[in-house]
Amino acid sequence: ETGVTQTPRHLVMGMTNKKSLKCEQHLGHNAMYWYKQSAKKPLELMFVYSLEERVENNSVPSRFSPECPNSSHLFLHLHTLQPEDSALYLCASSQEMGSGANVLTFGAGSRLTVL
Amino acid sequence: GQNIDQPTEMTATEGAIVQINCTYQTSGFNGLFWYQQHAGEAPTFLSYNVLDGLEEKGRFSSFLSRSKGYSYLLLKELQMKDSASYLCAVRDSNYQLIWGAGTKLIIKP
Repeated sequence: ETGVTQTPRHLVMGMTNKKSLKCEQHLGHNAMYWYKQSAKKPLELMFVYSLEERVENNSVPSRFSPECPNSSHLFLHLHTLQPEDSALYLCASSQEMGSGANVLTFGAGSRLTVL
Repeated sequence: GQNIDQPTEMTATEGAIVQINCTYQTSGFNGLFWYQQHAGEAPTFLSYNVLDGLEEKGRFSSFLSRSKGYSYLLLKELQMKDSASYLCAVRDSNYQLIWGAGTKLIIKP
């Protein structure tokens, strides 16, 4: 399988549940990202990992916890979420961070609904 | 603050030409990207501009004017499959990507 794969595609959870989103890339990229996409809003960068080390955390609430066990896999652990966290969560990867035409390859996203 | 502006929604006719504008105010500039996102699918890369001028790629072209903080995506010979959202993003001086909210393009027969 090629590209960036995200599972599950859809998730409904209560505010007290614990769940995880998974992202896998088979492109040999060194950087992986979590973005939040809400309707009619710009993409919000949540976390960035470069060579398995977290390099950015954009003031994301602690109820979101990322994990990057290796350069091909990225997780987003979810705990005691709020209804306003309902959104599409996109994973992306790139060859490296920063310079040049650093193109992101996105997964299709995990649609999260918090009840 | 940093800001990217693009129209929320546009409508065009199959076979016609449409231009989607993007204006930006960012701390520095290190390139501008356009991505296409079909409903329920992943955003996919369309174009990258770092120098002023027009970049043509088949039916799609992207233009950049750094002095004006302005770009546009030009889609020619529109097809129904071009119905999608088009996302503009600018990389700032810290190499952070600043995203617009996207333009939903509706193609009518």
